[in-house]
Amino acid sequence: SQTIHQWPATLVQPVGSPLSLECTVEGTSNPNLYWYRQAAGRGLQLLFYSVGIGQISSEVPQNLSASRPQDRQFILSSKKLLLSDSGFYLCAWKPSGASEAFFGQGTRLTVV
Amino acid sequence: DAKTTQPNSMESNEEEPVHLPCNHSTISGTDYIHWYRQLPSQGPEYVIHGLTSNVNNRMASLAIAEDRKSSTLILHRATLRDAAVYYCILRDSQGAQKLVFGQGTRLTINP
Repeated sequence: SQTIHQWPATLVQPVGSPLSLECTVEGTSNPNLYWYRQAAGRGLQLLFYSVGIGQISSEVPQNLSASRPQDRQFILSSKKLLLSDSGFYLCAWKPSGASEAFFGQGTRLTVV
Repeated sequence: DAKTTQPNSMESNEEEPVHLPCNHSTISGTDYIHWYRQLPSQGPEYVIHGLTSNVNNRMASLAIAEDRKSSTLILHRATLRDAAVYYCILRDSQGAQKLVFGQGTRLTINP
């Protein structure tokens, strides 16, 4: 069966520090991969999505970047965190062409 | 992206049916209507989806208007565990693979 792993569950980082959040999917190949951010009390904002290795689409220009070095690995990064980067970050995957997307448990990032 | 409009919040009582509306007046012929829900401090989970016909599964029913400009998610007998934010989104079956969520409806269930 397919599973999605996202870590860490919580993270506290100082302003100006780098960030790397990793998401991996098991049990499938060539999935579509997504990164979302949810600010406190707000809806889900799509940050990046990828339909294949090295293919990244950015939805919102900001202080973040994404990479997909392997088929089932999706990484969200920042060189220098801002206070406004705080939020709940969610990784998701969807079989290409299928309807249902599956979400990870999320990383709650607090920038201090 | 075709946009959806949902009420910010709704309230219902336990063991009563709940009808969650969604307007999508700019829906295209190839857009599927999807519903997800997000429990507190968790990622969203898929609930149901449909194209033209009404759909039923173990979680809920989806009623789609004949002109497809609106839909309603129906929870037949709400429980306290159904308290969540419910998102109605449109996904183009052709081309674009991105999933764009709106603000959703925060459903509160009273015991």
